[in-house]
Amino acid sequence: TQLLEQSPQFLSIQEGENLTVYCNSSSVFSSLQWYRQEPGEGPVLLVTVVTGGEVKKLKRLTFQFGDARKDSSLHITAAQPGDTGLYLCAGPSGNQFYFGTGTSLTVIP
Amino acid sequence: SQTIHQWPATLVQPVGSPLSLECTVEGTSNPNLYWYRQAAGRGLQLLFYSVGIGQISSEVPQNLSASRPQDRQFILSSKKLLLSDSGFYLCAWSSGTADTQYFGPGTRLTVL
Repeated sequence: TQLLEQSPQFLSIQEGENLTVYCNSSSVFSSLQWYRQEPGEGPVLLVTVVTGGEVKKLKRLTFQFGDARKDSSLHITAAQPGDTGLYLCAGPSGNQFYFGTGTSLTVIP
Repeated sequence: SQTIHQWPATLVQPVGSPLSLECTVEGTSNPNLYWYRQAAGRGLQLLFYSVGIGQISSEVPQNLSASRPQDRQFILSSKKLLLSDSGFYLCAWSSGTADTQYFGPGTRLTVL
């Protein structure tokens, strides 16, 4: 079983602060995906990282894939209330996808 | 473009009643299809996945079953619901060669 551990599990910050969410595994993945999910809705894909060491930016969000392709991070700059949600990382293995334990982010106005 | 539909959006059922949740995908052919269950605010538990019509793989022994009668249709069923079947059910698809999944809007199931 390829486990993906996310930290922190819960995060509550003030608007304008920066934060980093981590996704770690003991297994190598060909790629990792990050999703954001709002209550009562399905997860929405934010980004896929494929190459070890890759950095992708999506407005105020910066995603990095570890050199060994076992971990990834999501950094949010100047968080906004609209960033509130559950952040999930996921990695493919054959026909399956393994999901992280999730990070619940609350940005307080 | 591809779209994925799930229905119903919410469902309240008594213990012991049957269940049928449906998922359909548009705009793609021969997708891999998945059913997940999610506890409140937590990660996703894979229940079933399918790589083709009539091909179902089950990940967790449970009170549920899945079927894929058509290429882009995936159904989650139960003959008799248990209280523990309550949860948020998500359907997803991926291309057979891609490394990304796309999710439907989900079904909130409450068993009373």
